[in-house]
Amino acid sequence: SQQGEEDPQALSIQEGENATMNCSYKTSINNLQWYRQNSGRGLVHLILIRSNEREKHSGRLRVTLDTSKKSSSLLITASRAADTASYFCATTGNQFYFGTGTSLTVIP
Amino acid sequence: DTAVSQTPKYLVTQMGNDKSIKCEQNLGHDTMYWYKQDSKKFLKIMFSYNNKELIINETVPNRFSPKSPDKAHLNLHINSLELGDSAVYFCASSQATVNTGELFFGEGSRLTVL
Repeated sequence: SQQGEEDPQALSIQEGENATMNCSYKTSINNLQWYRQNSGRGLVHLILIRSNEREKHSGRLRVTLDTSKKSSSLLITASRAADTASYFCATTGNQFYFGTGTSLTVIP
Repeated sequence: DTAVSQTPKYLVTQMGNDKSIKCEQNLGHDTMYWYKQDSKKFLKIMFSYNNKELIINETVPNRFSPKSPDKAHLNLHINSLELGDSAVYFCASSQATVNTGELFFGEGSRLTVL
């Protein structure tokens, strides 16, 4: 299976702290994307990093990609209660493959 | 305006029944998908259509039949529902090229089979 696996499965932090989530995958990819899912809602795209990129920033988000280790990390800086959600990585080959997600809780 | 809309949001039904979920996107995308999310939040692709043509069919029982009347619509019909079909079903769309685009998801349809 090409699906990604996120780590940790669950993460609980205080507001203002940074949150780091990791994703590992198994096969070669074209790009890797991160999505957020609020409870009871659909997934929303956050950021895309191409296979030839090593780091990308978007606002409070920082994504790294290490293709030699087949892993990626998502860092959310200065977390807010509104960041509470599940975060998924998705790898793309000939289709999108999702992991099982990291459930992030930000405590006000 | 909702970019990807799916109806109904909730379905509760008995085993053996048939049900349909409808999906429409107004983004002008060529590719549409159905995903199933189980109770552990694992998202698994079921089908993908590009311009009304089936391009991905991931070992889904033939009780599940997608239909794409045009590139803006992708409906999912499920026959003879089983307990294990209980899940949240998500419709999504993307630009033509899977390798470069992002997915736009609907809000999901929660199916409960009793």
